[in-house]
This record gives sequence, C-alpha cells and structure tokens, in this order.
Amino acid sequence: DAKTTQPPSMDCAEGRAANLPCNHSTISGNEYVYWYRQIHSQGPQYIIHGLKNNETNEMASLIITEDRKSSTLILPHATLRDTAVYYCIVRVRNTGKLIFGQGTTLQVKP
Amino acid sequence: EAGVVQSPRYKIIEKKQPVAFWCNPISGHNTLYWYRQNLGQGPELLIRYENEEAVDDSQLPKDRFSAERLKGVDSTLKIQPAELGDSAVYLCASSQTGLAGETQYFGPGTRLLVL
Repeated sequence: DAKTTQPPSMDCAEGRAANLPCNHSTISGNEYVYWYRQIHSQGPQYIIHGLKNNETNEMASLIITEDRKSSTLILPHATLRDTAVYYCIVRVRNTGKLIFGQGTTLQVKP
Repeated sequence: EAGVVQSPRYKIIEKKQPVAFWCNPISGHNTLYWYRQNLGQGPELLIRYENEEAVDDSQLPKDRFSAERLKGVDSTLKIQPAELGDSAVYLCASSQTGLAGETQYFGPGTRLLVL
C-alpha cells in the first residue's frame, strides 16, 4: 500500500487560505487520494478525494500534481473551527482499506 | 440522513473483563469497518465486512477480539478479556460499495479505558 508524508503541524491565520501538502511518491495508477480531518474527540470527517483531476466541493479544493506524486488540500477561508488533524490517505481503488498516517495538525489562529 | 451511530460513547472497565461495542451504519451502506485509534495515532483497520461476510480481518487480534454483523446491518465488536493495552478509541465506519470512490463515513467512536 502506498504511503503518504505530511508535515506534523501547520499554523494558519483565520480568514486566510490554508494549504496542506502531502507527498505520495509511490502512488499507483488506480489509487485515490483521500483527505479526512479529525476534530478533537470526534470521528474522522470526510473532506474530499480525487484520482488525477483537481476537485472542489463546499469544504475544500484538492490539487493533484500531474505526476500524481503529491497533492495539496486547500481550505479557502480558514476559520477557528477548522483547527483539526488532517489526514492524507492513498487508497487502492475498489478496496476498503484506508491507511492513516500521523496527519498534519492545523492550528487556525485569530 | 442519520450518520453512523455507535454506543456506548465511553466505557471504563477493569482488565480481564469483557466489553462490547455496537455500531449501526448509515442506511443502505453494505460495507462496515471497525478501526482502533490509539492516543496520538491515526486509526488502524481491524476488520471489514461486506454485508455479513468478514472480507478482511487480518489485523484483528483473534485471541481476544471477535466481531459479528448479523443480517448485514448492525455490528458488534467484542473484547474478552480486555487488557490494559486495549485502551483506545474504537471507530466504526460504513460505505456503499459501487459508488465512485466508496467514501467511508465514520461514527463518533467509543472511548475505552481499561484499568
């Protein structure tokens, strides 16, 4: 299974865009990139996923590089409620296994 | 639409006692997962069900852990006997096989403390 590398922590000013990087240099052609976040004492919350095209939803945007070896999750206008641990996960298509790493702890500051 | 429901939310037991966790997945989701999350770590998969069948239980410590999913809906995860190292958050997730990406949705978890 492909693994991901994320910075352990990041800070962001409230109202600014938060850009969370992820490296997945061993990703295979049929593996999706998923992003989840986990707010303290809650279960992981799905944010967004993609295969090779950039994706956007009401929560965030996902930018995947052309070689698919890295991606960036963008929260366009971070709020204090976005403070959480963000997990970047590579998942093999048509299997259920998500392998979580350590994630990035994002601290949004006023 | 209701999310994944888990109970209890918190459980404190003494070592060597049995404990059980219950999960009700999102309606219509045929795939159910149990994860364990140790303090400061990401969740780790214990077992995955497709309907009633356990299709991946390779990470389940079978000497003391058991799980069942009768009728392919609710699921129960049991530990007997519990050990101090079992203290963790036990998360249940569900997904609907066949949809693009098969996104997993997680419940709030059960926080277990073994004394």
